[in-house]
Amino acid sequence: AQSVTQLGSHVSVSEGALVLLRCNYSSSVPPYLFWYVQYPNQGLQLLLKYTTGATLVKGINGFEAEFKKSETSFHLTKPSAHMSDAAEYFCAVIRWNSGNTPLVFGKGTRLSVIA
Amino acid sequence: SQTIHQWPATLVQPVGSPLSLECTVEGTSNPNLYWYRQAAGRGLQLLFYSVGIGQISSEVPQNLSASRPQDRQFILSSKKLLLSDSGFYLCAWSAPIGPKNTGELFFGEGSRLTVL
Repeated sequence: AQSVTQLGSHVSVSEGALVLLRCNYSSSVPPYLFWYVQYPNQGLQLLLKYTTGATLVKGINGFEAEFKKSETSFHLTKPSAHMSDAAEYFCAVIRWNSGNTPLVFGKGTRLSVIA
Repeated sequence: SQTIHQWPATLVQPVGSPLSLECTVEGTSNPNLYWYRQAAGRGLQLLFYSVGIGQISSEVPQNLSASRPQDRQFILSSKKLLLSDSGFYLCAWSAPIGPKNTGELFFGEGSRLTVL
């Protein structure tokens, strides 16, 4: 069965610093991978997704993620953190051609941005 | 465009009282529908999902139930709430995976339930 591991439940960075949120997945078949962001008391919003094709995926708000099959990773990065990036981030995986199997989410990483 | 509505946004209920959270989707047909729960400091827990009217899959045994009386309506219920039912409840929809759909979820704004 597919699974997702997010390393670090809480990451703190200074404003303007690089943001790196780690996600490793487990799947026996090619996965679809997603990153979501959740602001306090709101639902989740899709940041970006990888399905097929280019392994470097660009999303909203300046975020990007790179699918590395050899490392089974899909880390989320942003070159320069902004105060508005403070939120909870979730990595998720779905197995390709899995029909209606729901997404499997990681436990989330809370990003704090320090002024 | 598709939208998802979830209500009520906030709910405070006494232990032992009933619960009904409602979710509707507009702008699409035959969506897959989901209920998730977030407890304080914890991740997302899938409670129920549905691939069609009257078809409900339960992921976690508990005192909650779900129903799908119409194609784009999904209801989360309880006959008697427990303290442990407190949390943030999220409804979501997705299109079935296919050549044009990659299965991502679209979430509602959430319902915060406090059981006292």
